[in-house]
Amino acid sequence: DTEVTQTPKHLVMGMTNKKSLKCEQHMGHRAMYWYKQKAKKPPELMFVYSYEKLSINESVPSRFSPECPNSSLLNLHLHALQPEDSALYLCASSQDPGQGLPLHFGNGTRLTVT
Amino acid sequence: AQSVTQLGSHVSVSEGALVLLRCNYSSSVPPYLFWYVQYPNQGLQLLLKYTSAATLVKGINGFEAEFKKSETSFHLTKPSAHMSDAAEYFCAVSVVTGGGNKLTFGTGTQLKVEL
Repeated sequence: DTEVTQTPKHLVMGMTNKKSLKCEQHMGHRAMYWYKQKAKKPPELMFVYSYEKLSINESVPSRFSPECPNSSLLNLHLHALQPEDSALYLCASSQDPGQGLPLHFGNGTRLTVT
Repeated sequence: AQSVTQLGSHVSVSEGALVLLRCNYSSSVPPYLFWYVQYPNQGLQLLLKYTSAATLVKGINGFEAEFKKSETSFHLTKPSAHMSDAAEYFCAVSVVTGGGNKLTFGTGTQLKVEL
């Protein structure tokens, strides 16, 4: 069982829809991450939150909007997505943003944009 | 810039045979290195990590990796493959930036275990 919980597991949305991905951890971790993984590719970093503040944005298009309401929750708001945004979206957390600490991943949300 | 390169996108072994998955790193400073495994339709699970405490690192499920500075390598091994080891394996390096910890992954190696 993963200690990082992501909902929903699957999501199908049209290009005009607005939806949100949710991530929750109760390990007391103070850094949380969003990664995007296309089929047969490694995960690519999108955003990092450190102590509930956005610390890294890897030049992600504005149709993806992250939010960290508190230290346990991380959301990714989606609007006006394109079919090429279809992918597995992975949430992860680490004890803090320090180098060398392992990331703990959720099982992801598989997003399909039609 | 710190990065990792995985040699061999696909590796096939017989059940009971040695597993060797290759990873080379590029770093001007001592790196923090990781191996993760991803089973179909799941997230990534940490197998082991190197943080300079010891060059031979033991992980879960019988896997281990040896950090070799002279070869800039961090290869993953397991003495005897099991069918349940079939999965995608990623080597990763932790890169510190002004914003915090960035984990950057290699391209992955798909391990197939045959009877």
